[in-house]
Amino acid sequence: DAGVTQSPTHLIKTRGQQVTLRCSPKSGHDTVSWYQQALGQGPQFIFQYYEEEERQRGNFPDRFSGHQFPNYSSELNVNALLLGDSALYLCASSLVSVGQGSYEQYFGPGTRLTVT
Amino acid sequence: GENVEQHPSTLSVQEGDSAVIKCTYSDSASNYFPWYKQELGKRPQLIIDIRSNVGEKKDQRIAVTLNKTAKHFSLHITETQPEDSAVYFCAAHRYNFNKFYFGSGTKLNVKP
Repeated sequence: DAGVTQSPTHLIKTRGQQVTLRCSPKSGHDTVSWYQQALGQGPQFIFQYYEEEERQRGNFPDRFSGHQFPNYSSELNVNALLLGDSALYLCASSLVSVGQGSYEQYFGPGTRLTVT
Repeated sequence: GENVEQHPSTLSVQEGDSAVIKCTYSDSASNYFPWYKQELGKRPQLIIDIRSNVGEKKDQRIAVTLNKTAKHFSLHITETQPEDSAVYFCAAHRYNFNKFYFGSGTKLNVKP
């Protein structure tokens, strides 16, 4: 049973560039959430995709956008990179359980983005 | 929105002792509270969770307690071992918002 996978593992970009990160959810999961984790901090919610639509969004600018594909995989795009965008980007997948009131979320290994 | 505060930021215990990490949340509608363990350079891993209709849940050496009235929940680790050393994060989730809000983390160091 494949867990959550992300690519690439590491990435180095310069200010102003654009980057695309990829995530494949755990088998059987239909929801993908993206988080930004700065060094020494907890994950900060960027947005969540379900049924190929952005369902929820955290306090991140429009430079951060995403997409979900019919196979539930997802991409995170960041435009006009800033130095402050350097962080670990985590993808988490889950299965929405309607009426259950909660669901388990599993994280991928993350992509370490360095902006110089 | 939800605000999750986590204490302490660092915790050092002797092997075999117990460790307790506490979190408070602000949104009384939050109804699911997971705990994650993150080792250096690795992904956060779900170690235990609790729903709002339960006051306590235990899994071997770890347990989580929830006080809905006071809006706080705690992670308890008994008989700590060096491999328990990691950063632990709490989170709060409100089902119909489908968002997880994380605490700032507790770095646990278990001294052999």
